Amino acid sequence: QITLKESGPTLVKPTQTLTLTCTFSGFSLSTSGVGVGWIRQPPGKALEWLALIYWDDDKRYSPSLKSRLTITKDTSKNQVVLTMTNMDPVDTATYYCAHRGAAGLFDPWGQGTLVTVSS
Amino acid sequence: AIRITQSPSSLSASTGDRVTITCRASQGISSYLAWYQQKPGKAPKLLIYAASTLQSGVPSRFSGSGSGTDFTLTISCLQSEDFATYYCQQYYSYPWAFGQGTKVEIK
Repeated sequence: QITLKESGPTLVKPTQTLTLTCTFSGFSLSTSGVGVGWIRQPPGKALEWLALIYWDDDKRYSPSLKSRLTITKDTSKNQVVLTMTNMDPVDTATYYCAHRGAAGLFDPWGQGTLVTVSS
Repeated sequence: AIRITQSPSSLSASTGDRVTITCRASQGISSYLAWYQQKPGKAPKLLIYAASTLQSGVPSRFSGSGSGTDFTLTISCLQSEDFATYYCQQYYSYPWAFGQGTKVEIK
């Protein structure tokens, strides 16, 4: 059974850097074809794809946020870390990590973590 | 970047109704389209991938169709547990993109 769980601060101040950790089980990020992605959802709004890291360390980013995002993996710890710099109140959202399997889709997802950006 | 236009943004329906949601891609994406269901306070759940392949465990009243630029999610006989928000997502090329969502509400 694949499970993922996001962790990190619930409140950050404007201009600070957000660091979120996705801890997973039930798969290995050293298996060919596997990836872990990050998606966010502002309150009451739609889903937004942020970043994706693959088993071979290939990384993909949303162009609109690429300058602010960094995604890394620690295969031995079964963790993926997303950092987002220069946080702004508009970045307030629930942040999800998700498993990207052989079919290329996000399934399953973590439960999500709400991050509020406020001074 | 490929843009995804999903419609309608919301709809009201009754249990037992047939419901159709559409997504249009700004350029051809072959069959690289998925559908997710999201209930309030919960993470999205994968329903359909490759435009028409039902994810394991998903009821057969859900179906997907389309290829290229136009896609459809159909719920053949709406059940109470189907009231939720539905999103489509293209995974043909980066950046992956989601539609704006369709909220299915009780009439």
